[in-house]
Amino acid sequence: AQTVTQSQPEMSVQEAETVTLSCTYDTSENNYYLFWYKQPPSRQMILVIRQEAYKQQNATENRFSVNFQKAAKSFSLKISDSQLGDTAMYFCAFPPGNTGKLIFGQGTTLQVKP
Amino acid sequence: DAGVIQSPRHEVTEMGQEVTLRCKPISGHNSLFWYRQTMMRGLELLIYFNNNVPIDDSGMPEDRFSAKMPNASFSTLKIQPSEPRDSAVYFCASSHQGALSHGELFFGEGSRLTVL
Repeated sequence: AQTVTQSQPEMSVQEAETVTLSCTYDTSENNYYLFWYKQPPSRQMILVIRQEAYKQQNATENRFSVNFQKAAKSFSLKISDSQLGDTAMYFCAFPPGNTGKLIFGQGTTLQVKP
Repeated sequence: DAGVIQSPRHEVTEMGQEVTLRCKPISGHNSLFWYRQTMMRGLELLIYFNNNVPIDDSGMPEDRFSAKMPNASFSTLKIQPSEPRDSAVYFCASSHQGALSHGELFFGEGSRLTVL
């Protein structure tokens, strides 16, 4: 079965510091995308960053970057210069079988402290 | 551009009542997804449609749940009869699936359902 695992239910970080959220997944596929979504208290799911598995270069979006280790099936999210607005729940997601649907990890609640 | 639009945002009902949640996907998107979010089970995919056709409904909990997509701009998720354990946030998401698709799903703001 294809699964996505986030082993950190909760994390906290001081404002302006860096934090890394971990995610592992299990698949036998070779080409796929991986996603990190953010769910702030307002509840709406927002895409943070996307990684294409055939690209060796790690994706970066402003303060957000990933560490993608394809062989280890690991896809961690690094948030640099954390801001109070980064407080949210973060979900790692994977589309099994190129069906278009996404399966999500359990989520990591991140608290950024002033 | 308008995003995915869901209604109602909040619904409180009594056990046994029928509940209908509505979704308008982003114009031009050809796939639509219904997810349920609870503390215990996280985000679960209930059902998804491609080009208005249900593709995978294996996540639908039981026969009390049904979903329809009569056209490309509207979908409903119906629970009849509702039970307290159906209390959750229900999300609708849409995407464009195709050769140039990156697979990103666009989510609505969710419908919070409370069944008393």
